[in-house]
Amino acid sequence: AIQLTQSPSSLSASVGDRVTITCRASQGISSALAWYQQKPGKAPKLLIYDASSLESGVPSRFSGSGSGTDFTLTISSLQPEDFATYYCQQFNNYPRTFGQGTKVEIK
Amino acid sequence: QVQLVQSGAEVKKPGASVKVSCKASGYTFTGYYMHWVRQAPGQGLEWMGWINPNSGGTNYAQKFQGRVTMTRDTSISTAYMELSRLRSDDTAVYYCARNYDILTGYYGYWGQGTLVTVSS
Repeated sequence: AIQLTQSPSSLSASVGDRVTITCRASQGISSALAWYQQKPGKAPKLLIYDASSLESGVPSRFSGSGSGTDFTLTISSLQPEDFATYYCQQFNNYPRTFGQGTKVEIK
Repeated sequence: QVQLVQSGAEVKKPGASVKVSCKASGYTFTGYYMHWVRQAPGQGLEWMGWINPNSGGTNYAQKFQGRVTMTRDTSISTAYMELSRLRSDDTAVYYCARNYDILTGYYGYWGQGTLVTVSS
């Protein structure tokens, strides 16, 4: 199974900060990567698919980049509603796998 | 609009089975695979498998082979996930999830989740 390693596991940031989360795959997955946001008690919400395509309705402060094994999710200016946990997911192979998550907390 | 509505929380004893349902609406049920993903308390997301509602075909993660059964009832647009021989580490929220379309592997639609607690 393809392993996805996210870093950092958690971070503290302030409103307005630029935040970057990294996801590294154990083998190449082309651009078959998605990013989700999850808030406590809620289902994950799709933010980015195909590594860099912004899901409809998602604010443009979210962006994704990368291909192969190294991927990045960037929030250009953190807003209060962005404090949540973020997961990457690969869909190049089965079994589908997720990163372990990155919790973004308020500084 | 697409909606996936799951059954309510369950409490089970170790060794028992649980069956979680996922009722789909707003689209042609047989047109899209249904996936199941679980999340243990405070932990990450874990893919369990999928069912093709049209054919009934399934693909399970190796970790759950022999313990999970995914079925569907097309007459009521409902998918089911049954997990047997429950252990305490099966305590988790179980989600059904659907791809945006048949060619994509990411999940644009999710159920609200069903908490399954395994405790003696």
